[in-house]
Amino acid sequence: AQTVTQSQPEMSVQEAETVTLSCTYDTSESDYYLFWYKQPPSRQMILVIRQEAYKQQNATENRFSVNFQKAAKSFSLKISDSQLGDAAMYFCAYRRDSNYQLIWGAGTKLIIKP
Amino acid sequence: DVKVTQSSRYLVKRTGEKVFLECVQDMDHENMFWYRQDPGLGLRLIYFSYDVKMKEKGDIPEGYSVSREKKERFSLILESASTNQTSMYLCASSRFSGSAYEQYFGPGTRLTVT
Repeated sequence: AQTVTQSQPEMSVQEAETVTLSCTYDTSESDYYLFWYKQPPSRQMILVIRQEAYKQQNATENRFSVNFQKAAKSFSLKISDSQLGDAAMYFCAYRRDSNYQLIWGAGTKLIIKP
Repeated sequence: DVKVTQSSRYLVKRTGEKVFLECVQDMDHENMFWYRQDPGLGLRLIYFSYDVKMKEKGDIPEGYSVSREKKERFSLILESASTNQTSMYLCASSRFSGSAYEQYFGPGTRLTVT
């Protein structure tokens, strides 16, 4: 069975600095999708970034980028120029290509220090 | 703007009560999901539905049932609430096909069973 591991329950970063959140996963599939979702305090979960496993190029969305290492089964999220609004729980999720069910990590709480 | 709404943000029920959690999406999405979110466990799938009147069990269906009579509405039912069902419940929806099956989330219902 697929599993997703986020080994950092909590991370903190100074405003304007860069932080990297870790995610590893276990799968025997070759085609799949990976996601980072953000859940701000008392607000809705939203998609931050996604990566298709067949794409070698790392996905980027403005200040958010991923480091996708398929062989190592690693999918880290880098947030550049951290802002106070980035404070949230961040969840890594995996989806098989043939299935719409997501497998979720336990989450990392990101604290931004002003 | 896409929208998923849930009937209550906060709910307090007594042990043994029947509880209904409702979710409505306005995006004409085929798929709808109910998750349970607990600290340190991430999101766990309770049930999902890929069409009207169709449902499939997720990872933790015990103690829950669902109903989908209309495409836009997906209800989660706790037949006899128990204290171990105290949790945050998240509803989500997604397209049946399309780019990476992004899931859109509602704001969540925090249920307390006393």
